[in-house]
Amino acid sequence: QKEVEQNSGPLSVPEGAIASLNCTYSDRGSQSFFWYRQYSGKSPELIMSIYSNGDKEDGRFTAQLNKASQYVSLLIRDSQPSDSATYLCAVEFTGGGNKLTFGTGTQLKVEL
Amino acid sequence: EPEVTQTPSHQVTQMGQEVILRCVPISNHLYFYWYRQILGQKVEFLVSFYNNEISEKSEIFDDQFSVERPDGSNFTLKIRSTKLEDSAMYFCASSGPTGSGEQFFGPGTRLTVL
Repeated sequence: QKEVEQNSGPLSVPEGAIASLNCTYSDRGSQSFFWYRQYSGKSPELIMSIYSNGDKEDGRFTAQLNKASQYVSLLIRDSQPSDSATYLCAVEFTGGGNKLTFGTGTQLKVEL
Repeated sequence: EPEVTQTPSHQVTQMGQEVILRCVPISNHLYFYWYRQILGQKVEFLVSFYNNEISEKSEIFDDQFSVERPDGSNFTLKIRSTKLEDSAMYFCASSGPTGSGEQFFGPGTRLTVL
């Protein structure tokens, strides 16, 4: 069974701080990794995709991938109250076609 | 900016009734998906569709479910005889020419089965 694991949280950070969200996955050969943001009652919104080991930065967001450790993370710099949401890690597993397997998500709360 | 659209936003139905959920994927995308999310649970894959046929389906996607691309723009999910446990948010998603890549989700249809 191919799994994506996330700590459900909530993760509370003060406004302006760095939020660090983590995800592990079960298939070492997987190639495609995605972070989605989901506000309560809304659909997943794509934030970042990452395919290679290392860091990928987009504005205040940085995705980090370590395939050897089967670990992907999302850093949010200068966290804002509007970043308060559930962050979903999704993996396209090898041999799984194009389907995404999601983690349970980590709830982030950015406090004033 | 192009986006995936879904109708209706909320559907209430009686157990045993048929429902059709509709989606308009992003216009130049070739791969289409349905996912669902039961309240408080993970987003779960249902089915993927490419070149007018199902490319993959999950265990959830049994004979009660079907998908169709009736014309050049719409993509539909039909549930023939709804059960209470079908109550969930249903999300349509689409991705670009290569398939393996970023999937963009629609706003979802909340299905309530009474």
